[in-house]
Amino acid sequence: GQNIDQPTEMTATEGAIVQINCTYQTSGFNGLFWYQQHAGEAPTFLSYNVLDGLEEKGRFSSFLSRSKGYSYLLLKELQMKDSASYLCAEEDSNYQLIWGAGTKLIIKP
Amino acid sequence: EADIYQTPRYLVIGTGKKITLECSQTMGHDKMYWYQQDPGMELHLIHYSYGVNSTEKGDLSSESTVSRIRTEHFPLTLESARPSHTSQYLCASSEGQGSSYNSPLHFGNGTRLTVT
Repeated sequence: GQNIDQPTEMTATEGAIVQINCTYQTSGFNGLFWYQQHAGEAPTFLSYNVLDGLEEKGRFSSFLSRSKGYSYLLLKELQMKDSASYLCAEEDSNYQLIWGAGTKLIIKP
Repeated sequence: EADIYQTPRYLVIGTGKKITLECSQTMGHDKMYWYQQDPGMELHLIHYSYGVNSTEKGDLSSESTVSRIRTEHFPLTLESARPSHTSQYLCASSEGQGSSYNSPLHFGNGTRLTVT
């Protein structure tokens, strides 16, 4: 079936590094998105992976392994403003998105 | 910055009422979407559109309708509101017929609907 799994909640310290994992099970995989959503706000696009490997964008990086059905979002030099939910979404062969429930990241001073 | 607007921002309405949630975008995007999101839960696709006069049903479409008469406008109508419709409704748009790094979803700020 089509199922996206990611941890419900994670806690990290300001200035540290955190890795948020996402696993998916589907045929017809087309790509993997990560979005950030602050409480009460709309999701905003962070990254898109279609090939295996690491995509780096400033403090944020995203990794994909298609053979393992696995992705992670890596956040470096954490800031308090990074406290948000991080949504993993798989794009299927029909270009439709299958969403995970999101990982709530809590940053402590 | 994305220019996609939803109104109203908050709505409290009684059971059985007909309501329309508005969504407009000024980016000229072909594809538009309606999602429902409950706290701590995944987004569920309600309806989507590939362009003018195109509408498709998503997973949760059975109790709502949409129209796409103009590129920029994609309203969602609930014919008879129920308490089970209480949720956050998010409208989104993207370029083109496919989806790629160059055409991620741009979301509106949502409508929080409460049906009493």
